[in-house]
Amino acid sequence: SQTIHQWPATLVQPVGSPLSLECTVEGTSNPNLYWYRQAAGRGLQLLFYSVGIGQISSEVPQNLSASRPQDRQFILSSKKLLLSDSGFYLCAWSPGGDIQYFGAGTRLSVL
Amino acid sequence: KQEVTQIPAALSVPEGENLVLNCSFTDSAIYNLQWFRQDPGKGLTSLLLIQSSQREQTSGRLNASLDKSSGRSTLYIAASQPGDSATYLCAVTTDSWGKLQFGAGTQVVVTP
Repeated sequence: SQTIHQWPATLVQPVGSPLSLECTVEGTSNPNLYWYRQAAGRGLQLLFYSVGIGQISSEVPQNLSASRPQDRQFILSSKKLLLSDSGFYLCAWSPGGDIQYFGAGTRLSVL
Repeated sequence: KQEVTQIPAALSVPEGENLVLNCSFTDSAIYNLQWFRQDPGKGLTSLLLIQSSQREQTSGRLNASLDKSSGRSTLYIAASQPGDSATYLCAVTTDSWGKLQFGAGTQVVVTP
């Protein structure tokens, strides 16, 4: 069966520090991968999606970037965190634009 | 631009009552619509997926309908239980890449 892993579960970082969040999927190949953010008092917003290795599309201009170095690995990064980057980050996968399965999320607090 | 709205924002019912959650979207050109459940501080659990060509989907006590022409979906939860307490989110996909556009959610509390 397929599983999705996200880590870390919780992260507290100072303003200006770098960020790396990792997501991996097991039990499938060539999944579509997605990064979403849920900010306090706001709905879920799609940040990035990927349909293959090295193929990244950004949905909103921001301080973040994403990479897909391997088929089932999706990484969210920042060189310098801002206060506004705080939120709940969720990774998801889909077998092909259909039903999406979400990870447990990473709660990021930027102080 | 697609906008997804969920009404009400919060709902409290006694155990045993049926729940009715509403979702509306502005652009009827959708690929599918999904209903999710989110427990506090947790990720999302997919409940039901309705393809654009379908009118409804059922899973156990859950039934979701879709009226694409009017831009509406309704999630029915029969005989609610305290364990149904959570935030319910609807989301639409508007392209083949599967990008989801979410509503703000309905927070449900089922009291014993």
